Amino acid sequence: AQRVTQPEKLLSVFKGAPVELKCNYSYSGSPELFWYVQYSRQRLQLLLRHISRESIKGFTADLNKGETSFHLKKPFAQEEDSAMYYCALSGRGGNTPLVFGKGTRLSVIA
Amino acid sequence: DTEVTQTPKHLVMGMTNKKSLKCEQHMGHRAMYWYKQKAKKPPELMFVYSYEKLSINESVPSRFSPECPNSSLLNLHLHALQPEDSALYLCASSQEEGLQAFLYGYTFGSGTRLTVV
Repeated sequence: AQRVTQPEKLLSVFKGAPVELKCNYSYSGSPELFWYVQYSRQRLQLLLRHISRESIKGFTADLNKGETSFHLKKPFAQEEDSAMYYCALSGRGGNTPLVFGKGTRLSVIA
Repeated sequence: DTEVTQTPKHLVMGMTNKKSLKCEQHMGHRAMYWYKQKAKKPPELMFVYSYEKLSINESVPSRFSPECPNSSLLNLHLHALQPEDSALYLCASSQEEGLQAFLYGYTFGSGTRLTVV
């Protein structure tokens, strides 16, 4: 069974400081990892997907298969980054739909 | 159209009522999903439809009854709910199950906030 662990419920950083949101996963097959973001009163949005290796809004995430981690990073936090961030995992097979971690609330302090 | 549209946005219902939640997408996605999200919790999968057939039911109580009348529409019929069923119900879609979902992730609707009184 797949499992996603986000150890921090809340992370507070000052504006301009670096941010790292931790995500670890457990999955027996080949996983695909995603980061979703949920701003206040807005819908859940896809932020990043591992396979595309993209950088969105200054965020990046690297898959570390040895440590089974997919941490989200940004060098300089902005106030508008304050939101709920969910790490999620799906598998290549049809019976492994998207499963979310418990989420980390990022609060960027001016 | 690159959105998943859910109606209504808010719903208050009594424990003896019957109501339905509606979800629509016109992106040609062939997999659609219902998730339940309680306050300050992550979304939890309820049902998966693939090519209009139910492929996954995560042991959801029978008072929740999904329906997929066509490839663009997904309904969730509600009957005899309990107050603990109050939550945000999210619909999502992906190009299909398996590889496409694997590659591109899901598109989520804004949800229906359900309150059972």
